[in-house]
Parts: sequence; C-alpha cells; structure tokens
Amino acid sequence: ETGVTQSPTHLIKTRGQQVTLRCSSQSGHNTVSWYQQALGQGPQFIFQYYREEENGRGNFPPRFSGLQFPNYSSELNVNALELDDSALYLCASSLYGGTGSYEQYFGPGTRLTVT
Amino acid sequence: GDSVTQMEGPVTLSEEAFLTINCTYTATGYPSLFWYVQYPGEGLQLLLKATKADDKGSNKGFEATYRKETTSFHLEKGSVQVSDSAVYFCALGDFGNEKLTFGTGTRLTIIP
Repeated sequence: ETGVTQSPTHLIKTRGQQVTLRCSSQSGHNTVSWYQQALGQGPQFIFQYYREEENGRGNFPPRFSGLQFPNYSSELNVNALELDDSALYLCASSLYGGTGSYEQYFGPGTRLTVT
Repeated sequence: GDSVTQMEGPVTLSEEAFLTINCTYTATGYPSLFWYVQYPGEGLQLLLKATKADDKGSNKGFEATYRKETTSFHLEKGSVQVSDSAVYFCALGDFGNEKLTFGTGTRLTIIP
C-alpha cells in the first residue's frame, strides 16, 4: 500500500509569484484535504476535494485554489504569493463513505518559503 | 465554530515518567476526536481516535477517553520513552464533513 506523497519537498518563491503543490493520495482513497501549518501552529484546513469537486473550504482567500484528478491526486495552487503564505502545506487523503470517515492520512508536506 | 484547546508546551519529562497532555474542545453536534503526532521533519501520523462519548482510543501505550460531560480528550501514557519526543496535536472531526480542526500542538521532550 502506497502512502500519501507530496512534491516538491521544499520550495522558495518570491512575493507575487504563483506556486503549484502536488499530492498523490493513498491507494484506495477518494478524498483529498489540504492544510496550512504555520511555524509553531496547528494545521489549518484550506479545502477538501471529493469526486473532483470542492467539498468544503476553510477561511482562505480565493487565490488558494485546487484540483482533484480522476486518479484522486490533487494540486494546490496559490496565486499572488504573500510573505504570510510561508508555511508547511500538508495533504491528507481519506476514504469518504457517506457516513463519515475521519481517518485522514497525511503526507510529509511541502515547505514553502516566500521571500 | 469548532475549536480545540491544548495544554501549553513545551513539556519536558524524564524517561519512564507519567504523561498527561490536556485537550478540551468546543463543537456543535457529536464530533470524532483524534490525537496526531508529528516527529521532527515529518508530516502528521494518527496516534489514536475516539468516535463517541466514553470511547477510549489507545495505541503504542498512549490512551485518551472521550469525555462529553467535560468536553475533554486528554492524552496519557504511563511510562514515556525518549522516542516519544515529538509534537502532539489534538483534533476534532465534524460528522459529514471531514474537515479536521486542530489545537496548536504540545511539544514533548523526553530526557534519558
């Protein structure tokens, strides 16, 4: 069974640029969630994708957007980067069965630094 | 909205000491509760969970009981090891919406 993988591991961008982060779900999972973890803080929910549709969104501006592909992999796109976007971005996959499946399996994260 | 409050860290203990990390929550409805652990340089790993009141989650010697009357889910371990050094996060999950709400984390350091 392959776990959740994310790429790249580290990324440095300049303020105003755009970035795309990628995530491959654990085998058999159909739902992907993205979280932002600032240094010394707990992860904050950005959004979730199920069946290629956004299925819930946290308190993040529209310049944070995402995609889920038919193979359940996912991308997180951030436009017009700001210094405060510097954080560890975590992807989590799970199997949503309609009755609530809460075991989310996290990838190792992508460390984004905005200068 | 939903929220999780964790014991402030950092926490430093000697090997074989007893561990308690406090966690309380605020939620509408009947959330599931989780403890995740984050080792240095790694992502989050699910440590244990409880899905309804009075459930006890346990794993690797760690335990936590879902207490609805006190809205708490405290993490305990009877004898900690150096390898338990990590950051521990308490989290709740909304029924029907798999969003997780996390606490701010508690850094635990075990000294030999």
